[in-house]
Formats: sequence, structure tokens, C-alpha cells
Amino acid sequence: DVKVTQSSRYLVKRTGEKVFLECVQDMDHENMFWYRQDPGLGLRLIYFSYDVKMKEKGDIPEGYSVSREKKERFSLILESASTNQTSMYLCASSLTGHLIDEAFFGQGTRLTVV
Amino acid sequence: AQRVTQPEKLLSVFKGAPVELKCNYSYSGSPELFWYVQYSRQRLQLLLRHISRESIKGFTADLNKGETSFHLKKPFAQEEDSAMYYCALTRGGNTPLVFGKGTRLSVIA
Repeated sequence: DVKVTQSSRYLVKRTGEKVFLECVQDMDHENMFWYRQDPGLGLRLIYFSYDVKMKEKGDIPEGYSVSREKKERFSLILESASTNQTSMYLCASSLTGHLIDEAFFGQGTRLTVV
Repeated sequence: AQRVTQPEKLLSVFKGAPVELKCNYSYSGSPELFWYVQYSRQRLQLLLRHISRESIKGFTADLNKGETSFHLKKPFAQEEDSAMYYCALTRGGNTPLVFGKGTRLSVIA
């Protein structure tokens, strides 16, 4: 059974804190993604990575950075958390080399910045 | 740039009634299209993809390139179909999915 695991289901952080969201997949997938999910806005891509130590900006990268030191782990970093980053964060992974790659999602981390 | 539009935020239907969730896209090339579903308190998961031409849980979706649409249909809605549905597009290969804003389907008993 494929697994994408996000380290926390719920997080509450204070404005200005540096926040780390961790994601691990056990499927040996090359591609990993971070989305944020907001009501009425759907899923918006923050960053993605095709390989270890590689990263690409998505549609809304401002205020975020990422780290991919190992193939199975993709971390999302909020350098200085702000209230407008309160959201549900979804990590996903997929396999390279196939025409149609199903993306597998984690259970999500609901982050509240106060 | 590619874009996915789901015009309905909420769709309510009675059990046994037909369901159609609308999805339109804009992309100049040949996209690959998907429907993802998120049931209450579950993770987002793939429902179906256009290239497979499959029926999953009674749902089908046909890609209409002329109308740039990929509507999701089911002839008889069930209560367990109540969920959030997202239409998504990719340019192919390992490019990221671009999602619509989602439609919440509520099936009323």
C-alpha cells in the first residue's frame, strides 16, 4: 500500500515563527509536490521537486522554501509564518517515466498561525 | 498557461438522480485530465483519468477537445458519493497537476 505521510495533522504556530512541514513517501517516487488547499480556491502549487536537491517554484512560492536532501523526504519551510499562511497543506508524490502519473497525497497538515 | 475551471462550488442532488460535475480547461496542447475526490476526513485520491476510459464507482468522464471539457457523470447518485471533487490537468510526463477550485457534491437522501 502506497504511503505519503505528513508529520503532523494539526499545527498551531505564532506569527514570525519558522515552521517546518515534513513529508515522507515510501514509494521511491522521484517527484514530490507541496500544495495548499483553501476553500473556494482549490489546490494551489507552492513548490515541487523532480529529484534530490532539485526544486522548482509553483504558482505561489512567496513566503515558502523547500528542502529535498533525500529522495523520500520533502520539507516545506515557512521562513516567518504569517496569518495568511493559515491553511491546509498537502504533500504529494508521483513517479517519473510514465505518461500518466497518478499523484498520491498525504493526509494533510492543517496549520494555524496566530 | 493551463487553467481548469469548475463553475459550481456546490452541487446538491437527490439520491438516485443523475449527476454531472462540470470541468472546462484551457491549454493549447494535448492535456491529460483527471478527476480527484476527497471524502470526509480522507486524503485526496484519484478517481479516474481520461486516457483510461474507465468507469469508477459508476462515474465516467469524456474528454471533449472541441468544447475543452471533461465533465464527470454518474447516472444514479448515491449518498456515499457526497465528497469534494477536483478536476485536474497536466501537460504530461511528470509535470505538476493543475487543479480546479473544486465542487462539493451533496447527495440528499
